[in-house]
Amino acid sequence: DAKTTQPTSMDCAEGRAANLPCNHSTISGNEYVYWYRQIHSQGPQYIIHGLKNNETNEMASLIITEDRKSSTLILPHATLRDTAVYYCIVSGYSGGGADGLTFGKGTHLIIQP
Amino acid sequence: GAGVSQSPSNKVTEKGKDVELRCDPISGHTALYWYRQSLGQGLEFLIYFQGNSAPDKSGLPSDRFSAERTGGSVSTLTIQRTQQEDSAVYLCASSLKTWGNEKLFFGSGTQLSVL
Repeated sequence: DAKTTQPTSMDCAEGRAANLPCNHSTISGNEYVYWYRQIHSQGPQYIIHGLKNNETNEMASLIITEDRKSSTLILPHATLRDTAVYYCIVSGYSGGGADGLTFGKGTHLIIQP
Repeated sequence: GAGVSQSPSNKVTEKGKDVELRCDPISGHTALYWYRQSLGQGLEFLIYFQGNSAPDKSGLPSDRFSAERTGGSVSTLTIQRTQQEDSAVYLCASSLKTWGNEKLFFGSGTQLSVL
């Protein structure tokens, strides 16, 4: 069963904020929300992650709802170079085994000029 | 600084041949992952190494696939008797495994084409 649900694709105008939603209704207390993106022909790139508080870095902001069942990745001023597949992942570190990241199909974000 | 390095970047082989794919993780990273990505598909987890622990091989699709990590650093993914369905991009990632800080750093991948 998929841990996250994301729209298959989204469009956003260049210069506008891109808001990418993710549902993770079965998230458990020790699981973090991670966002990665994959630009065509490249390996995935880490963007941001959080547990329950909103987070911001130089790339994006992450807004997590109070019940932690959903989150939104915000790219404040999208550029053409932000066109990529964006993956929302939930994962926790239990101290053993492959607690690594399971990548779903993600959202294909297309920035329109 | 140096990132995750994978070689070769492209590999073309004939069906039935063995191939070896190499991954040099970021120095000091204790965790190393192999993923596979077929054309137009998401990432498929293959195998995971963490420190000196036994690797998690739960994602390997068949016994033709194996991987090792020597000295806790460089890793080699071996595919024996390659099949056309093995054609994909093979991605390696490493991370500094700490609580809640699973930032994976990916290499650029090896594009494997089995003719």
